[in-house]
Amino acid sequence: GESVGLHLPTLSVQEGDNSIINCAYSNSASDYFIWYKQESGKGPQFIIDIRSNMDKRQGQRVTVLLNKTVKHLSLQIAATQPGDSAVYFCAEITWWVSGNTGKLIFGQGTTLQVKP
Amino acid sequence: EAGVAQSPRYKIIEKRQSVAFWCNPISGHATLYWYQQILGQGPKLLIQFQNNGVVDDSQLPKDRFSAERLKGVDSTLKIQPAKLEDSAVYLCASSLDGQGVLYGYTFGSGTRLTVV
Repeated sequence: GESVGLHLPTLSVQEGDNSIINCAYSNSASDYFIWYKQESGKGPQFIIDIRSNMDKRQGQRVTVLLNKTVKHLSLQIAATQPGDSAVYFCAEITWWVSGNTGKLIFGQGTTLQVKP
Repeated sequence: EAGVAQSPRYKIIEKRQSVAFWCNPISGHATLYWYQQILGQGPKLLIQFQNNGVVDDSQLPKDRFSAERLKGVDSTLKIQPAKLEDSAVYLCASSLDGQGVLYGYTFGSGTRLTVV
């Protein structure tokens, strides 16, 4: 069935270090992936996305890597800051066969803790 | 641009009572989603509207949950009667198009429901 999962529930890093958050997905038909950041008491916030025809995409301090062979997605955060502390979710979009719309499916989430 | 508005922010009810949540999406966004997020888990899609029509409600417990988007703008989600396991954050999201790819999904801050 459809599922998107993350490898570790909690990741603790030192301020200034790089963080890598991993995600495994099971639906090989998914063709669009998004990383979200969710702070306490707030809704998920878009970080970066990647299409299935790409293997890497960079943003400001963030990089997403996609390995379709092993159905693995990762989010790299450079020079992690205290403000990066949050829960991170990977999500995938699978398109409906009919209609011009897709379904966004979330994984379980990884809590990133940044130590000062 | 105003974000996705949700109310109330918090709600505590007794089991078997009814409750309703309201969502006002970003102006002009055709697609509206309701997600349920149980503590420690990723959001789970309950229902997706395209304008005022239902695109997907396969995960909505229809014996107790209902949702409507009568004029294709704001939406209400109702639970009647509530169960203890309905305790969760209910998130509303909207996107300009049904795919969410081109313009992304924007989430509200959610309504935290506690059923006692």
